[in-house]
Amino acid sequence: GAGVSQSPSNKVTEKGKDVELRCDPISGHTALYWYRQRLGQGLEFLIYFQGNSAPDKSGLPSDRFSAERTGESVSTLTIQRTQQEDSAVYLCASSLDFSREPLHYEQYFGPGTRLTVT
Amino acid sequence: AQSVTQPDIHITVSEGASLELRCNYSYGATPYLFWYVQSPGQGLQLLLKYFSGDTLVQGIKGFEAEFKRSQSSFNLRKPSVHWSDAAEYFCAVLKAAGNKLTFGGGTRVLVKP
Repeated sequence: GAGVSQSPSNKVTEKGKDVELRCDPISGHTALYWYRQRLGQGLEFLIYFQGNSAPDKSGLPSDRFSAERTGESVSTLTIQRTQQEDSAVYLCASSLDFSREPLHYEQYFGPGTRLTVT
Repeated sequence: AQSVTQPDIHITVSEGASLELRCNYSYGATPYLFWYVQSPGQGLQLLLKYFSGDTLVQGIKGFEAEFKRSQSSFNLRKPSVHWSDAAEYFCAVLKAAGNKLTFGGGTRVLVKP
């Protein structure tokens, strides 16, 4: 079946411009996550959506970052007024709800969007 | 607060040799633990996970991991590495109330011929 998809795969933008990154989760997955991975570093949690609950935005690094998700489908991560330090790979993942399906819980990751801010 | 530590940033191993990657966690409750692998240019793939029961868990690609509560560790092992095992490996712990994974910093494995 189809996995998590992300678009675009690569994005080069000028400093100060806004960018939108898209994530299509696996159908039926109620949870969706965004992570940032800077070059040579680990995964940094950004935001998490679970069903119709309020998203957990605790990882967003600044108010220039925002994300939306419509129901249990597509999500977009928006970065306004991009800065060079925003350059990274942005990873999206989706999963079932752990509380409902603990034994089957696993986060499935997309291939990522490589963002370069020049 | 929970955290995950992978003490080794880089490990170089000869093809055919054994591999062990260390992971230590700090978490008050029963941990749910994961190992993911990220091959060059690829997304993250789950190798194995531990929720409860047998403390030695088997995963894909010939990997296994052992949960040791007394040492707060969940080390990943492979008896004989292949060149295709060159990748970055991430240990993670689940914060069940909220479905959030906390990742370690990763260990990059290089495989020598």
